[in-house]
Amino acid sequence: DAKTTQPPSMDCAEGRAANLPCNHSTISGNEYVYWYRQIHSQGPQYIIHGLKNNETNEMASLIITEDRKSSTLILPHATLRDTAVYYCIVRVNNNAGNMLTFGGGTRLMVKP
Amino acid sequence: GAVVSQHPSRVICKSGTSVKIECRSLDFQATTMFWYRQFPKQSLMLMATSNEGSKATYEQGVEKDKFLINHASLTLSTLTVTSAHPEDSSFYICSAIEDTEAFFGQGTRLTVV
Repeated sequence: DAKTTQPPSMDCAEGRAANLPCNHSTISGNEYVYWYRQIHSQGPQYIIHGLKNNETNEMASLIITEDRKSSTLILPHATLRDTAVYYCIVRVNNNAGNMLTFGGGTRLMVKP
Repeated sequence: GAVVSQHPSRVICKSGTSVKIECRSLDFQATTMFWYRQFPKQSLMLMATSNEGSKATYEQGVEKDKFLINHASLTLSTLTVTSAHPEDSSFYICSAIEDTEAFFGQGTRLTVV
């Protein structure tokens, strides 16, 4: 799986949009971009994933650049409960048992 | 989404004893499960891949005789930390793939005293 690079930490004001960047310049054509988050002392929680089109669900939006070398996770209205470590992962999307390889992630602190 | 349940969520054991952690896929069958370990303020590190009906595959540096993995059914994998030492104190997390998506258990906080 391709390596990803994320800033180690970010702050965001409550109610504002949180934009979390991720670089994955060596991503392969068949690799998807996944985002997970981990709230303290819990297992990772799936947020969203995409291949090349922008995606949106009830939790977040995912913007992938046209060359697919970077992406941004957007939490439109951050709340205090969104404080967590956010992991950007690229992987092949199949059911052959691909494990997830976690990088350092971004520690997002949402402040009142 | 699918649910992966881990038990126990917290355990404290004495040095030299063994601890078993269970990982269950509650509403789907998982031929493959993964075990991760996470030390404070660090990322998740894959320890091993658990395969139903066959031997687990361990990552480099992970002692297979110390971390025993059993995947006897399509819904249950167990990790046994044998002869635990204080340095084994960590957060252990399991994961299972269902229809290409990865789902995680809530984690087990192991403290060896």
